Amino acid sequence: DQQVKQNSPSLSVQEGRISILNCDYTNSMFDYFLWYKKYPAEGPTFLISISSIKDKNEDGRFTVFLNKSAKHLSLHIVPSQPGDSAVYFCAARGGAQKLVFGQGTRLTINP
Amino acid sequence: DVKVTQSSRYLVKRTGEKVFLECVQDMDHENMFWYRQDPGLGLRLIYFSYDVKMKEKGDIPEGYSVSREKKERFSLILESASTNQTSMYLCASSLVFLSVNGYTFGSGTRLTVV
Repeated sequence: DQQVKQNSPSLSVQEGRISILNCDYTNSMFDYFLWYKKYPAEGPTFLISISSIKDKNEDGRFTVFLNKSAKHLSLHIVPSQPGDSAVYFCAARGGAQKLVFGQGTRLTINP
Repeated sequence: DVKVTQSSRYLVKRTGEKVFLECVQDMDHENMFWYRQDPGLGLRLIYFSYDVKMKEKGDIPEGYSVSREKKERFSLILESASTNQTSMYLCASSLVFLSVNGYTFGSGTRLTVV
């Protein structure tokens, strides 16, 4: 039972353009959503988060949008840079102490 | 800078061996977690611990056990390694109540069972 889904295993974007990564969830009790970025042979690092009471959170080039009625969130990166090439995981807080992760999307930024 | 340290970056073990993966955090976090990462499956929770000597099964505990004798150290044990346990293993820690930043992860251990 996959409660958090990232349906696109990979995404390829031209440098300077917008990257949009998507995530769907099924559990309406999730109260916080997070995005992590992972380079090969490294652990995931926190990127940005959003509370379920908000619909947008912005941090520099990164913006996360939350559509609660659709149970959908997206991460926008603009402009995309070569260093953004990584695997991106969305995660949801399903209780006070645990995160539930999606399958990940591999983003490749082409020069 | 806060840290989660996993003792090995790469390990190669033989089928049937008992394998220990060690994780140490220096942030005085109460919670510690073990995940495995596999292509197309994302991060799957194996075990977690809320306190010393306490452990809870995650989504895929079969074939694994854990030990937490001290607050800063959380060990994952593969009782009898099998080839389907070849994976990237990630340790993470967090405060009792998750901050908006979630977990802090270690760099991972790439385990190959031959």
